[in-house]
Amino acid sequence: EDQVTQSPEALRLQEGESSSLNCSYTVSGLRGLFWYRQDPGKGPEFLFTLYSAGEEKEKERLKATLTKKESFLHITAPKPEDSATYLCAVHFRGDYKLSFGAGTTVTVRA
Amino acid sequence: GAGVSQTPSNKVTEKGKYVELRCDPISGHTALYWYRQSLGQGPEFLIYFQGTGAADDSGLPNDRFFAVRPEGSVSTLKIQRTERGDSAVYLCASGKGETQYFGPGTRLLVL
Repeated sequence: EDQVTQSPEALRLQEGESSSLNCSYTVSGLRGLFWYRQDPGKGPEFLFTLYSAGEEKEKERLKATLTKKESFLHITAPKPEDSATYLCAVHFRGDYKLSFGAGTTVTVRA
Repeated sequence: GAGVSQTPSNKVTEKGKYVELRCDPISGHTALYWYRQSLGQGPEFLIYFQGTGAADDSGLPNDRFFAVRPEGSVSTLKIQRTERGDSAVYLCASGKGETQYFGPGTRLLVL
């Protein structure tokens, strides 16, 4: 069965302390991998799409990378405003829906 | 430009009642999706529309759930005979191509 697993469940960082979030997937055919940011009480906000192994995307302090079986979201020198839940979702080949992981909740302390 | 909007933002109802949740997609987006998110979980797919027709309704949990998109724009998710287990955030997303853009969600509480 196709699955998406995110780790860790929660991450507490000091401002400026860089770290990485992991998204692993078991899938017969990947059509795209998506990262979203979700603030409390809000809907997911689109960050990145990755399509093939080796691809990288960057936005401000965030950088997403993709291998054949997992993706990483690197947060460089985080600020308190980077605190949020980061969701990974996979678009499987032959399908239209997104299959989400449970998310990683990141808290950045000043 | 305007994003996806959903109304109401919050809905409290009693067990057994009927509810309707509305989604206004981004103008020009032909694809529309409904998801349901429980606390501490990622969104779970319910139904996908391409234009006016439901292209995939495999995520609807049972026949109490139904959704329509009669003119290919606004969509309504309808839940009959609500149960306490239906309490969740119902998210709508629209897309043109691969990327899905989400609305703020409707928080449904069934007492």
